[in-house]
Amino acid sequence: GQSLEQPSEVTAVEGAIVQINCTYQTSGFYGLSWYQQHDGGAPTFLSYNALDGLEETGRFSSFLSRSDSYGYLLLQELQMKDSASYFCAVRDQWNTDKLIFGTGTRLQVFP
Amino acid sequence: EAGVAQSPRYKIIEKRQSVAFWCNPISGHATLYWYQQILGQGPKLLIQFQNNGVVDDSQLPKDRFSAERLKGVDSTLKIQPAKLEDSAVYLCASSIPSRLNTGELFFGEGSRLTVL
Repeated sequence: GQSLEQPSEVTAVEGAIVQINCTYQTSGFYGLSWYQQHDGGAPTFLSYNALDGLEETGRFSSFLSRSDSYGYLLLQELQMKDSASYFCAVRDQWNTDKLIFGTGTRLQVFP
Repeated sequence: EAGVAQSPRYKIIEKRQSVAFWCNPISGHATLYWYQQILGQGPKLLIQFQNNGVVDDSQLPKDRFSAERLKGVDSTLKIQPAKLEDSAVYLCASSIPSRLNTGELFFGEGSRLTVL
């Protein structure tokens, strides 16, 4: 089967940089997505990596290493509003329109 | 562009009762999903529609859960009878091929179910 592992919780202070890791197991790989979800809110798409390397979108960057089955989300210049849960997700090897989500990492940003 | 609409936002029922959730996807989105998110976990796919046809319902507990998308637009997810372990947030999502190719789904805010 396919599975994704993330740390359950990460804490940081405003202005800092934090990295949220994701390791995955899948026979067929079609890309790694990242989503943000505030408490009681909808998961919202942040980024997608299909190839190795770093993708940058403003304060957020996402990295992928397919040889290591590993990716991370990097959040810079942390703000209080970044406190949320972050999920990595892979496209299912048998149904690439289906996303399989990790268990999520809860980020708490302190002043 | 209007987002994915879901209702009700909250529902409390007793076990063995029934409940129904409604979803209106983004206009023009042919693919619609129902995900279940238990507290502290990631979303888990229950069922996926392409227009009004079912693509994947392999993880739908069919003895108690049912879903339909009769006209290829709105969808309804029903649970009957509910169990305590069905307490979760039920998320509806939709997308189109160009966005699916980059792993992007558009989620609603969900319907939070509490089964007592």
